Amino acid sequence: AQTVTQSQPEMSVQEAETVTLSCTYDTSENNYYLFWYKQPPSRQMILVIRQEAYKQQNATENRFSVNFQKAAKSFSLKISDSQLGDTAMYFCAFMKRSGSNYKLTFGKGTLLTVNP
Amino acid sequence: GAGVSQSPRYKVAKRGQDVALRCDPISGHVSLFWYQQALGQGPEFLTYFQNEAQLDKSGLPSDRFFAERPEGSVSTLKIQRTQQEDSAVYLCASSSRQGAYNEQFFGPGTRLTVL
Repeated sequence: AQTVTQSQPEMSVQEAETVTLSCTYDTSENNYYLFWYKQPPSRQMILVIRQEAYKQQNATENRFSVNFQKAAKSFSLKISDSQLGDTAMYFCAFMKRSGSNYKLTFGKGTLLTVNP
Repeated sequence: GAGVSQSPRYKVAKRGQDVALRCDPISGHVSLFWYQQALGQGPEFLTYFQNEAQLDKSGLPSDRFFAERPEGSVSTLKIQRTQQEDSAVYLCASSSRQGAYNEQFFGPGTRLTVL
């Protein structure tokens, strides 16, 4: 079974600054995907960024980037130039790449508050 | 196009009542997932459908929980004899293909409160 751990229940950052959210995971799988999801107060979960484990290059999406350390089983999210709209719960998630069920295993989340 | 929709958005039930939660996936999406999100926690997998076939129900917490997707589109999660510990947000997600990775699109959830 896979486990995902987010050790920061809450974080805050000033608008326009950079913040990094941490995530570690445990798995015996070799092929998998890792994700960061954003859940604003309206509760609709939105995909922020995705990383395929077999790719060494870290994924980036505009102001969002990851630091993927496969050997350490670490997958942190960096948000640059933070905006007020980034305030949300952020969940790290794992998905096996093989098999027939592409279910997600989530961490407990980090509540990020961006202050003006 | 329309995203994943869920109804009702809020449901209050007395302990012991039966409830039914509906999910309308994105049109044409083959895969459908149900997750349970307790207060202050991350979502936890309940069950997975590929078209009308329920391929994995390993996350259902008890035999009081039942899910169906009879025509491969709309899905219903039914909880019988609700208990207080069933209080949570129930999230539905759909994705477009049955194989390989495809992004899961989430609905807004149904918040169930059992009194």
